[in-house]
Amino acid sequence: GESVGLHLPTLSVQEGDNSIINCAYSNSASDYFIWYKQESGKGPQFIIDIRSNMDKRQGQRVTVLLNKTVKHLSLQIAATQPGDSAVYFCAEGLRNQGGKLIFGQGTELSVKP
Amino acid sequence: DTAVSQTPKYLVTQMGNDKSIKCEQNLGHDTMYWYKQDSKKFLKIMFSYNNKELIINETVPNRFSPKSPDKAHLNLHINSLELGDSAVYFCASSQDIAGVGEQYFGPGTRLTVT
Repeated sequence: GESVGLHLPTLSVQEGDNSIINCAYSNSASDYFIWYKQESGKGPQFIIDIRSNMDKRQGQRVTVLLNKTVKHLSLQIAATQPGDSAVYFCAEGLRNQGGKLIFGQGTELSVKP
Repeated sequence: DTAVSQTPKYLVTQMGNDKSIKCEQNLGHDTMYWYKQDSKKFLKIMFSYNNKELIINETVPNRFSPKSPDKAHLNLHINSLELGDSAVYFCASSQDIAGVGEQYFGPGTRLTVT
């Protein structure tokens, strides 16, 4: 079946450290990938996306890496802050599929002050 | 102004009842979605609409019926509610029908069926 999985369901880091959240996706045909952040009691919030023709993309304090050979995606957060504490989801999609995104299980990031 | 809004935020009801959840977006987007998030945080798409036309229907029981009166609204009606319908339901919208790009999510509606 379709699935997008995460290697670690929980991740605890010290404030100021860098965080790396990993994700494995299953559909080699997927051509775009998105990371979402979901804080408690709120809806998912877009962080960054990457197209399949790229292997790296940087945003503000975040970097997404895509390795299509092993179907692996990662989100790196630099200088993690308490406000980064949330559940992080990766999602994969395919163009012209009506916007269908397949979400992974999620990784809960906890930042210790 | 809230980009994607849902009402109600909480909904507690008994098995067998019929209920509706409303969603509105003021982003001018053409595409809207309904997602279900279970107790383990797993998020799965249920439906998508583009300009009031159904695009995605992901093997959802026919007790669930989305209705889009206009492209800014996508409501979800659920008949004969079951215990397994308890979840958080998220509405979302996007500009791009091809699906590439950000989907904006609403705050969610926590449905509890007793």
